[in-house]
Amino acid sequence: AQSVTQPDIHITVSEGASLELRCNYSYGATPYLFWYVQSPGQGLQLLLKYFSGDTLVQGIKGFEAEFKRSQSSFNLRKPSVHWSDAAEYFCAALILTGGGNKLTFGTGTQLKVEL
Amino acid sequence: GAVVSQHPSRVICKSGTSVKIECRSLDFQATTMFWYRQFPKQSLMLMATSNEGSKATYEQGVEKDKFLINHASLTLSTLTVTSAHPEDSSFYICSAEAPSGQYFGPGTRLTVT
Repeated sequence: AQSVTQPDIHITVSEGASLELRCNYSYGATPYLFWYVQSPGQGLQLLLKYFSGDTLVQGIKGFEAEFKRSQSSFNLRKPSVHWSDAAEYFCAALILTGGGNKLTFGTGTQLKVEL
Repeated sequence: GAVVSQHPSRVICKSGTSVKIECRSLDFQATTMFWYRQFPKQSLMLMATSNEGSKATYEQGVEKDKFLINHASLTLSTLTVTSAHPEDSSFYICSAEAPSGQYFGPGTRLTVT
């Protein structure tokens, strides 16, 4: 079955430390891949997306993600985390269908930042 | 650009009543909009795909008669929760599809008492 997996439910890092959030996908072909961030009670904000081309994608707020086909992964990274980065992060994959392009979300990773 | 709004942001209703949630694309036209439901500390579950001028496509397990979706214009889709029950309490999020991707509204917190 097609799916998106985020193995880490919770992650805690110290402010200023580096961050990597894991995301794996299971699809027959390479899907379009996204990372979103959700602050408490808020909708989702797109951090970055990968459609094709360069496998290292730069996003907003200093985030980047690397697509690795051999590992079916699309991990999100940030060199130095800020306290304001504390939020829920969702990886998503886009399935192109005749009835609309459906996003499938991972279960999310809750990031806590220690000061 | 690509801003999506939802109204209301928060609503409380009594069991048995109906409540309507609006999703608007403010600065672009969206042929397709999506409705998601998010339970506490869980991921987003796609409920239905809303296409302008046609019937919505519901995901398996979603009651189409309970969750009525109308996409009457290229900038507005509505979700009506009919005969609401406490188990319908949830965070409902819409998104609108633009050429550059999907853009999400801020969500509507529904509480059914």
